[in-house]
Amino acid sequence: ETGVTQSPTHLIKTRGQQVTLRCSSQSGHNTVSWYQQALGQGPQFIFQYYREEENGRGNFPPRFSGLQFPNYSSELNVNALELDDSALYLCASSSGTIGPASQYFGPGTRLTVL
Amino acid sequence: DQQVKQNSPSLSVQEGRISILNCDYTNSMFDYFLWYKKYPAEGPTFLISISSIKDKNEDGRFTVFLNKSAKHLSLHIVPSQPGDSAVYFCAATRGGADGLTFGKGTHLIIQP
Repeated sequence: ETGVTQSPTHLIKTRGQQVTLRCSSQSGHNTVSWYQQALGQGPQFIFQYYREEENGRGNFPPRFSGLQFPNYSSELNVNALELDDSALYLCASSSGTIGPASQYFGPGTRLTVL
Repeated sequence: DQQVKQNSPSLSVQEGRISILNCDYTNSMFDYFLWYKKYPAEGPTFLISISSIKDKNEDGRFTVFLNKSAKHLSLHIVPSQPGDSAVYFCAATRGGADGLTFGKGTHLIIQP
């Protein structure tokens, strides 16, 4: 059973560019959540996808968008990058039938915006 | 507006002693609380959780206490071991598709 994987590990972009981050869920998991962790802060909930539909969203602007594919892998897209978007982006997968304790996190993608 | 607060950025404890990590929350709608442990270059790992209908949950060396009237929870680690050195995050949720609300974390250092 493979865990949650994310790619790329690190990424450097410039302000105004667009970025796509990828996440592969743990086997058997149909729910994916994305979090942003700025330096010195705890992770902040961006949104959650369940069976290819966004079913929950935190306090993030529309330029943060996502997709979930039939195999339950997921993408996070960020348009018009700003300096404050520099952070560690974490993906977590879970089975929709089990409570929040079942969320398994990937190692994250470190995004730097210059 | 931080709904989950961990007021101690770091905590140093001697090996074999008890580690107590604290967490306060403001949102009375939270009904599920979790502790995660994070090593550098890894994602958070689930440690232990507690439902709002309980006041204590134990799992081996780890015990979480919930005081709903004070909106306070704590994680006790007994005895503390060197491998426990990590950043510990407190998180809360209303459940469903709400996502987790995390505190800023406490860096626990176990001294030999």
